[in-house]
Amino acid sequence: AQSVAQPEDQVNVAEGNPLTVKCTYSVSGNPYLFWYVQYPNRGLQFLLKYITGDNLVKGSYGFEAEFNKSQTSFHLKKPSALVSDSALYFCAVRDGEDSNYQLIWGAGTKLIIKP
Amino acid sequence: EAEVAQSPRYKITEKSQAVAFWCDPISGHATLYWYRQILGQGPELLVQFQDESVVDDSQLPKDRFSAERLKGVDSTLKIQPAELGDSAMYLCASSLDQSLFYEQYFGPGTRLTVT
Repeated sequence: AQSVAQPEDQVNVAEGNPLTVKCTYSVSGNPYLFWYVQYPNRGLQFLLKYITGDNLVKGSYGFEAEFNKSQTSFHLKKPSALVSDSALYFCAVRDGEDSNYQLIWGAGTKLIIKP
Repeated sequence: EAEVAQSPRYKITEKSQAVAFWCDPISGHATLYWYRQILGQGPELLVQFQDESVVDDSQLPKDRFSAERLKGVDSTLKIQPAELGDSAMYLCASSLDQSLFYEQYFGPGTRLTVT
């Protein structure tokens, strides 16, 4: 069965330090991976995606994510955190063998950046 | 930058009343999604349209929820009658097409409170 796991409910990082938000997935076919961010009382915003090609994907607001096929992971990273990065982050995956193209969502990770 | 529009932003209704939400996707986007999101959780797909056709409504509680996208552009989600458990954020999203690699763009959401 298809699934996405975000093992940390919350991640705390000091401003200026690097941050990582973890995501692992399980699919039958090729994975199509996405990261979204949600600020309080707002809809979700698309950050970046991995479809094929280079394992390091760059996205909005200085975020990047690294696709690791052997570890079935797609961790979100940023070299230097800002207080304004504090938000809820969601990882999502589509299974290339799923004819319904259903997007499977993780439960979300709350990122708190402390000044 | 084009955005997904939703209205109202907030709705308070009494249980057993009817409530309706409206969504206008990004122009040219063929696929439209309605999600329900409980606070602190990932979004749950309620219904997916491709143009004016429903392609997935397996998670839509059809005894009380209905959705339409008559001309393949804007869409309405209705709940009748509303129940206390329906209190949640209702998100609309659109994508260029339903294929595997297109990201979804979300509206600001409608926060529903049922009293």
